[in-house]
Amino acid sequence: NAGVTQTPKFQVLKTGQSMTLQCAQDMNHEYMSWYRQDPGMGLRLIHYSVGAGITDQGEVPNGYNVSRSTTEDFPLRLLSAAPSQTSVYFCASRSTGETEAFFGQGTRLTVV
Amino acid sequence: QKEVEQDPGPLSVPEGAIVSLNCTYSNSAFQYFMWYRQYSRKGPELLMYTYSSGNKEDGRFTAQVDKSSKYISLFIRDSQPSDSATYLCAMSVYSSASKIIFGSGTRLSIRP
Repeated sequence: NAGVTQTPKFQVLKTGQSMTLQCAQDMNHEYMSWYRQDPGMGLRLIHYSVGAGITDQGEVPNGYNVSRSTTEDFPLRLLSAAPSQTSVYFCASRSTGETEAFFGQGTRLTVV
Repeated sequence: QKEVEQDPGPLSVPEGAIVSLNCTYSNSAFQYFMWYRQYSRKGPELLMYTYSSGNKEDGRFTAQVDKSSKYISLFIRDSQPSDSATYLCAMSVYSSASKIIFGSGTRLSIRP
């Protein structure tokens, strides 16, 4: 059972570099979201999507872009990485009509 | 003010103790209240959820919601070392297709 798969697991970027964090789910879930987790801050919502072609901002969207061209994939793009974006990033998905969200294993990103 | 407040701990108790974890919130529109458990370097997993006010019990775990006080609790009876993890409360307005807002998480350690 693959569930929610995030790649890469670890990444080091230099300030100003761009990259895309990948998220894929094989459960045919409509709702997908990206969170970042920082010490003492819990999980903060970056962007979310309620279906293919539909995205919206969460609590901390600045510096991040998303798109949802398919039900399965929800990539998160950092256009110009900053040290403040050093964090652990989690992708989650859930089905409409269900409360439970399923999380990936996380991507640990360090920006130097 | 954050929508969801949670004491970050850390909390350390001896094996067999009763543990009480709590969250407060400010958005009266929240109707779904969840507790997620997160082991070190893993993604969060849903432990249990409740709808509106009341209690819900699942084995050694009991979730309570007091909407009049905007206060939720998770009790763990007969705590075990395997319960050592970070516990995050989470809330949403609807069961699906809506944002889940998380607390900052409480790190719990059960001493053998």
